[in-house]
Amino acid sequence: DAKTTQPNSMESNEEEPVHLPCNHSTISGTDYIHWYRQLPSQGPEYVIHGLTSNVNNRMASLAIAEDRKSSTLILHRATLRDAAVYYCILRDPYNQGGKLIFGQGTELSVKP
Amino acid sequence: EPEVTQTPSHQVTQMGQEVILRCVPISNHLYFYWYRQILGQKVEFLVSFYNNEISEKSEIFDDQFSVERPDGSNFTLKIRSTKLEDSAMYFCASSSSLGSGNTIYFGEGSWLTVV
Repeated sequence: DAKTTQPNSMESNEEEPVHLPCNHSTISGTDYIHWYRQLPSQGPEYVIHGLTSNVNNRMASLAIAEDRKSSTLILHRATLRDAAVYYCILRDPYNQGGKLIFGQGTELSVKP
Repeated sequence: EPEVTQTPSHQVTQMGQEVILRCVPISNHLYFYWYRQILGQKVEFLVSFYNNEISEKSEIFDDQFSVERPDGSNFTLKIRSTKLEDSAMYFCASSSSLGSGNTIYFGEGSWLTVV
């Protein structure tokens, strides 16, 4: 399984932007970069995904390096409800049954 | 917004008893998954299911586990003889396809406590 490396934890202040980094130097050409988050006592929640180009949605933005060996999830204005564990996952939709393999993720805390 | 629903939300069972965890995936989805998360640990893949058969399973998914789609809406995980180490949160998930634009949606989980 292609692996990702994320910091164990990060802190942010409320209403400030947050940049969550992820390294994936062994990414293959068919791997999509997915981000999920897990709030306390809840199931994982889809945040965003991309292949090569930067992506934006209502929750976040995803910036992908040109060589695709790293990416950054950007929360434009952190709220207290964004405190969660964020997972960066490489997913090949046509291998391994398209399953997600979770790592330890980055635990984001948001201070008021 | 459509969602994956799971029942029960919490179940306590005696060691050695059989447990069935139920899931209703999103209605037009075709790919189904079970994951588990032991308290304080990472989310682990158990099994994927497509076209009425298991497409992949992990080492955790041994003979004590089985999955079934008994009708057009439910997807169940059965643990035949529970062990203490089966205590965990079990998440059901579904996806409409494996294509690039499709994501996997998770339920809120069923918390299983084996005593």
